[in-house]
Amino acid sequence: DAKTTQPNSMESNEEEPVHLPCNHSTISGTDYIHWYRQLPSQGPEYVIHGLTSNVNNRMASLAIAEDRKSSTLILHRATLRDAAVYYCTRLSGNTPLVFGKGTRLSVIA
Amino acid sequence: KAGVTQTPRYLIKTRGQQVTLSCSPISGHRSVSWYQQTPGQGLQFLFEYFSETQRNKGNFPGRFSGRQFSNSRSEMNVSTLELGDSALYLCASSPRLTGYGYTFGSGTRLTVV
Repeated sequence: DAKTTQPNSMESNEEEPVHLPCNHSTISGTDYIHWYRQLPSQGPEYVIHGLTSNVNNRMASLAIAEDRKSSTLILHRATLRDAAVYYCTRLSGNTPLVFGKGTRLSVIA
Repeated sequence: KAGVTQTPRYLIKTRGQQVTLSCSPISGHRSVSWYQQTPGQGLQFLFEYFSETQRNKGNFPGRFSGRQFSNSRSEMNVSTLELGDSALYLCASSPRLTGYGYTFGSGTRLTVV
């Protein structure tokens, strides 16, 4: 049980920004929010993680709501290579990384 | 820097046999987790190890077991294989339990016939 809720699928046009939402209303204060993605025929790939503040890296940005009950993964310019299943999950020192069904992102050329 | 290495990449076994899968984490990573992925059930958590101790176990029967060695390498074993055990088995490692992302291996594709 990932204890997160994500839309089953989303679609984006190439070179446009994509905002992938995640609800984690039961998050505890020590839970990190993690995002991973899985391209076809590959293992999951780490994208980004954060605790309270918004985070940026070369792949994406993570916007965390002030109450931490939701977050948004932002891909600034979607490419065809970003088509994947995106997983939002939580991780703490007591609970392992557990995955839900994720959001299947389709990118249209 | 080498990634997470899983061996073998592919495996075919017969029902009733047992199998051992190996995972070598990234050097310096002490946390290792295992997952089973099937089209129907998605990514399911199997075990989590840290410094040779199993910290968490997923909802799998006792036929599934694992261990972690002092060099952080990990193995998982499935005894009395069933057709339903056919899956992609993934291993992931991280330097610590929290604060870092997990790096996944390419997995071992197990087929039970």
